[in-house]
Amino acid sequence: EVQLLESGGGLVQPGGSLRLSCVASGFTFSNYALSWVRQAPGKGLEWVSTISGSGGSTNYADSVKGRFTISRDNSKNTLYLQVNSLRAEDTAVYYCAKDLIAAANYYYFYMDVWGKGTTVTVSS
Amino acid sequence: DIVLTQSPATLSLSPGERATLSCRASQSVSSYLAWYQQKPGQAPRLLIYDASNRATGIPARFSGSGSGTDFTLTISSLEPEDFAVYYCQQRSNWPPRVTFGQGTRLEIK
Repeated sequence: EVQLLESGGGLVQPGGSLRLSCVASGFTFSNYALSWVRQAPGKGLEWVSTISGSGGSTNYADSVKGRFTISRDNSKNTLYLQVNSLRAEDTAVYYCAKDLIAAANYYYFYMDVWGKGTTVTVSS
Repeated sequence: DIVLTQSPATLSLSPGERATLSCRASQSVSSYLAWYQQKPGQAPRLLIYDASNRATGIPARFSGSGSGTDFTLTISSLEPEDFAVYYCQQRSNWPPRVTFGQGTRLEIK
């Protein structure tokens, strides 16, 4: 069974940092681009970042560029999101999601498997 | 950046009725559009990709249509489990970007 399991969320003060992780199983990890998508309380979905299967290419939403860093360790089947300089508006559930189609160096940006999410709360 | 506008914001229907949800893009996205369903406390679920292709395991009562700027998700006969929030999503490869619509809440009348 294809699964994604996020961890690393928590309560952090404004300006603080966290590292979110997403462990994958059930598919050939390095063949698929992976994304982080977040959802603020009671709000809609917001794309955050995507990394190619090889890890050689990354993309970010303007709202997080320069503060968040996506990375992956294909030997550990794990996706990461380093979140720095956190703001109240970064409070959200952060989901990791897998691309629909296998392509080591390309993004399809359609997400067919999602984790259950990890909650980040930024508050003093 | 491309903006996706979904309508209506809320749709109230009864089981067995037909649901028609709309998604309009601020500029052409060709057929690069997906639909997701999200139930309370759950992650989104991919229903439709490339405007009209059903994802694996999605019932045939869900169908998507459209291209360019106007897209529709149709649920032919609503089942009780279909009442949820639905999001459209566009993808672009240059610049690489993903945008979601604001969602349509499908509620039981």
